[in-house]
Amino acid sequence: KQEVTQIPAALSVPEGENLVLNCSFTDSAIYNLQWFRQDPGKGLTSLLLIQSSQREQTSGRLNASLDKSSGRSTLYIAASQPGDSATYLCAVREAGTALIFGKGTTLSVSS
Amino acid sequence: GAVVSQHPSRVICKSGTSVKIECRSLDFQATTMFWYRQFPKQSLMLMATSNEGSKATYEQGVEKDKFLINHASLTLSTLTVTSAHPEDSSFYICSAEDFNGDTDTQYFGPGTRLTVL
Repeated sequence: KQEVTQIPAALSVPEGENLVLNCSFTDSAIYNLQWFRQDPGKGLTSLLLIQSSQREQTSGRLNASLDKSSGRSTLYIAASQPGDSATYLCAVREAGTALIFGKGTTLSVSS
Repeated sequence: GAVVSQHPSRVICKSGTSVKIECRSLDFQATTMFWYRQFPKQSLMLMATSNEGSKATYEQGVEKDKFLINHASLTLSTLTVTSAHPEDSSFYICSAEDFNGDTDTQYFGPGTRLTVL
């Protein structure tokens, strides 16, 4: 059964720092991997989706990489801002199934 | 991008009542929708897969008689929490699957916060 792990569970950084969030999954036969942002008490905002054939995706200050063979993905946030404070969720999808989520990394960026 | 709505966004009910949550795909047809539940400070846990015109598939540990799912059309799935109790209080999020050429993507609704008194 697919399991998704995110490290660290929480992270506090000063504004301006570059940071990396880690995600690992147990079964490498995935269809795609997606990173989401969730603000307290709110729904999900999709940040980046990487298809299984892709190695990375970029959107603004965000860059997500995927190494299927090792079962790992990273989300890189450049020049962090207080507005980036949120919980970041990694989720993987196998063909014909629903997304399976990790427990998330709660990020706090102080000004 | 594709849009998924949920109604209501927030509901407070008394213990023992039933609550219906609607999930709609607004600009695409979805033969498959998914229902998730999220307890405070926890991640999203898949409850069931809803297939248009057929019975839902429930994850292990989810009571199908308590969480009734109906997917009567290609744009609407409903989740009914029957005889709700305080331990059912949670954030319920649906997603709808959109096939677009060679890829399919799950789009998420904004969630419904259920509080059972």
